[in-house]
Amino acid sequence: KAGVTQTPRYLIKTRGQQVTLSCSPISGHRSVSWYQQTPGQGLQFLFEYFSETQRNKGNFPGRFSGRQFSNSRSEMNVSTLELGDSALYLCASSWTQNTGELFFGEGSRLTVL
Amino acid sequence: SQQGEEDPQALSIQEGENATMNCSYKTSINNLQWYRQNSGRGLVHLILIRSNEREKHSGRLRVTLDTSKKSSSLLITASRAADTASYFCATVARNTPLVFGKGTRLSVIA
Repeated sequence: KAGVTQTPRYLIKTRGQQVTLSCSPISGHRSVSWYQQTPGQGLQFLFEYFSETQRNKGNFPGRFSGRQFSNSRSEMNVSTLELGDSALYLCASSWTQNTGELFFGEGSRLTVL
Repeated sequence: SQQGEEDPQALSIQEGENATMNCSYKTSINNLQWYRQNSGRGLVHLILIRSNEREKHSGRLRVTLDTSKKSSSLLITASRAADTASYFCATVARNTPLVFGKGTRLSVIA
């Protein structure tokens, strides 16, 4: 069974641009969560989707948004990029809502110049 | 905000030694999980312990949970160079997502 797939793996953007990251969960998993990882703040929860509905949202500005499609694939978007948005963005999937084991992708490393 | 706080932040040991990492948290939880992350990669789930459990084993891993002290420990026995990674505890409370600590960086020297 294929694992969680995140694309792109690496990307470089400049301040003010926007970016869309994609996540394909493990087949059959209906819950997708996103985390931002930086050296200073560690792993910060962004949002969780279950059956196309956002179930939880972390403490991030409105520039960060996401969605989930009917096939459970998820995207997150960051608009008006700032230098501080440089991070590793991790997607994780699970069978049910965010209470059990999470299966993580390899992440998308975003660098904002 | 971080729920779990790992201690120590960094740990360096010789191959064959045991490694112990601790995690403290602040609120009541449903379960606590430990994950491993190799440099710049995704996290890998190691073990989950429920709030009504006190100890759990998986291979060379032993996890304890003390809900009265709001703390957990992860013991890796007979460490190997391949165990070099960052280790994170994550807590799950009612109707909330997993909240991760900042991790312990373990270096196992061959």
